[in-house]
Amino acid sequence: DQQVKQNSPSLSVQEGRISILNCDYTNSMFDYFLWYKKYPAEGPTFLISISSIKDKNEDGRFTVFLNKSAKHLSLHIVPSQPGDSAVYFCAASDDRDSGYALNFGKGTSLLVTP
Amino acid sequence: DSGVTQTPKHLITATGQRVTLRCSPRSGDLSVYWYQQSLDQGLQFLIQYYNGEERAKGNILERFSAQQFPDLHSELNLSSLELGDSALYFCASSVTGSHNYGYTFGSGTRLTVV
Repeated sequence: DQQVKQNSPSLSVQEGRISILNCDYTNSMFDYFLWYKKYPAEGPTFLISISSIKDKNEDGRFTVFLNKSAKHLSLHIVPSQPGDSAVYFCAASDDRDSGYALNFGKGTSLLVTP
Repeated sequence: DSGVTQTPKHLITATGQRVTLRCSPRSGDLSVYWYQQSLDQGLQFLIQYYNGEERAKGNILERFSAQQFPDLHSELNLSSLELGDSALYFCASSVTGSHNYGYTFGSGTRLTVV
C-alpha cells in the first residue's frame, strides 16, 4: 500500500525555468515530509524538509510547499540547472507510529536541458 | 563520499542462498536504517537500530534479519533467497534516530539473485 505517491515518473524542464515536482500522501498522521535527490550509482541525498506545522520552507533555489488539507506537497526548483537532473524522492513519516522510519514515493526523474 | 559505507557494492548469488550485507554508519551516528529498493519501487523501510537496539520494524520478511554491533556497524542477513529479493539495499544513518536533518545514505548494495 503506497502511502506516498509521486504520479509523474519523469519531468523535463529547460535550464533557467522552474521545476515543480509533486507528491501526494494518504496517511493523515504523517507529520514530517522530506525530499531527497538521487544520482545514478549513489545513495539518496537529503535536500529539504518541512514539518506539518508549516506550509512552506525555503532553502536557496529549493522551496517545499505543504497543503495538509489536500495531502499534497510540492518541490519548486528555481532556477533549474542541468546539475539538478536526478531522481527526486518524496518521503513522509509519522513519528508516533514507526519511530523515524520514512515512507518514500517511487520518485520523479527530472531532466534539465540546456 | 557520504560517510556511510556499504559493502559489497554488488552481489550475485543463487536462489536458496544466504548473504550478509554490511553497513558502517557515518562517524558519530548512532542510528542505522535499512531500506530496500526493488525495480520501479520507492525505497521500502526494513528496519532501524539505535545504539545496538532494534527501534522500528517495517516490511521486513522473516527470512531477513539484522543487527547492530557495539562498534555501531550493522549487518543485514538475507536467507533462503528468492528471485524477488533482487534489489538495491540501502543503509542510512543519523545521529540521534531523528530524521529532522535527513538521513545520510550509503551508495547501496545491488543484490542479484539468479
